[in-house]
Amino acid sequence: AQSVSQHNHHVILSEAASLELGCNYSYGGTVNLFWYVQYPGQHLQLLLKYFSGDPLVKGIKGFEAEFIKSKFSFNLRKPSVQWSDTAEYFCAVNKGNAGNMLTFGGGTRLMVKP
Amino acid sequence: EPEVTQTPSHQVTQMGQEVILRCVPISNHLYFYWYRQILGQKVEFLVSFYNNEISEKSEIFDDQFSVERPDGSNFTLKIRSTKLEDSAMYFCASSVSGYNTGELFFGEGSRLTVL
Repeated sequence: AQSVSQHNHHVILSEAASLELGCNYSYGGTVNLFWYVQYPGQHLQLLLKYFSGDPLVKGIKGFEAEFIKSKFSFNLRKPSVQWSDTAEYFCAVNKGNAGNMLTFGGGTRLMVKP
Repeated sequence: EPEVTQTPSHQVTQMGQEVILRCVPISNHLYFYWYRQILGQKVEFLVSFYNNEISEKSEIFDDQFSVERPDGSNFTLKIRSTKLEDSAMYFCASSVSGYNTGELFFGEGSRLTVL
């Protein structure tokens, strides 16, 4: 069975600091990769996704993620965080051609101090 | 912006009682899902639904659970005889396509507390 690990459970940064959140998955076949974000009191929403092609994908609000197949990783980055980025971030995976059954990581709570 | 709405936002029930959680997916979406998150644990897939039938389900989704689209707008999750371990946040989601888009639109969740 596939699994997703997010090693950072809580991250605290000051505004303008750079962000990198780790995500590793365990599945040897073709996968699709996603980052979802949940702002306080709101629903989960898609930040970015990777299916194929350029392993560096850009999402909303200045976020990007890089798929490194050899490392089974899909780390999320942002060069300069803002207070409004305070949220919980979830990495998710589904098997290629397997519908929308997502396997989520445990989430990383990011707090950005003004 | 269209959104997925869920009711109730919080329900408290006694063990053994039946619970129905309701969801109104985005109107032009065809695929519907339930996920849940037990406090302190990961978000887990329960079931996906398309064309009035279950298309995928996880091991968690046993005979205690059922889903239904009783009319053109609602999508419900029924838990027949609740157990303490059913306490969780239940998320409904919908999508336009069922294959590999990953672009699920989630509701804000229904928190179920079983006493």
